[in-house]
Amino acid sequence: EAQVTQNPRYLITVTGKKLTVTCSQNMNHEYMSWYRQDPGLGLRQIYYSMNVEVTDKGDVPEGYKVSRKEKRNFPLILESPSPNQTSLYFCASSFTGQLGYGYTFGSGTRLTVV
Amino acid sequence: AQSVTQLDSQVPVFEEAPVELRCNYSSSVSVYLFWYVQYPNQGLQLLLKYLSGSTLVKGINGFEAEFNKSQTSFHLRKPSVHISDTAEYFCAVKPRAAGNKLTFGGGTRVLVKP
Repeated sequence: EAQVTQNPRYLITVTGKKLTVTCSQNMNHEYMSWYRQDPGLGLRQIYYSMNVEVTDKGDVPEGYKVSRKEKRNFPLILESPSPNQTSLYFCASSFTGQLGYGYTFGSGTRLTVV
Repeated sequence: AQSVTQLDSQVPVFEEAPVELRCNYSSSVSVYLFWYVQYPNQGLQLLLKYLSGSTLVKGINGFEAEFNKSQTSFHLRKPSVHISDTAEYFCAVKPRAAGNKLTFGGGTRVLVKP
């Protein structure tokens, strides 16, 4: 089954404790992206990757890091989480190019930083 | 850059009544348009998309949307809603010519009442 898999689904952590949220896709998509969802703000892009070893900032990159060492994986790293990073996070992937492909989304990771 | 405005943050509606969710966008380039649905505690699922051609687009679960270029709108409609349509709905745009970034609106929460 074609899918984007995120782990964990739920995570509660303390301020300053480094964490990683994993994302993996099995569709051979070049493009992968991380979004955070906050009430009334919709989804905002954190980082994206056009292909292996090619990453760039989205609209809200502060406090986050990413890497793309393999095509299928795109982990999101919070080096020193703070309470304002409490949010619902989604990983998504798609083919690149000019065709109007939408994204395939993961099921989400609900992160609480206390 | 693109921006998307969903004009209603919440829409209560009775079962079997029609519903319309409004979406306006702003972009300096031509875009593709999408509607996604997020059921409680789930990820985002594509409802429908406008790429080209007929401005009336039909999607899954009886939803349809109409693209109006002059008004830069892409409103979503369903003639008769069910309890199971209770969800949050997101309008999104993506540039046609370059890039893969999806820009989302703030979301509209639909609550279907019996």
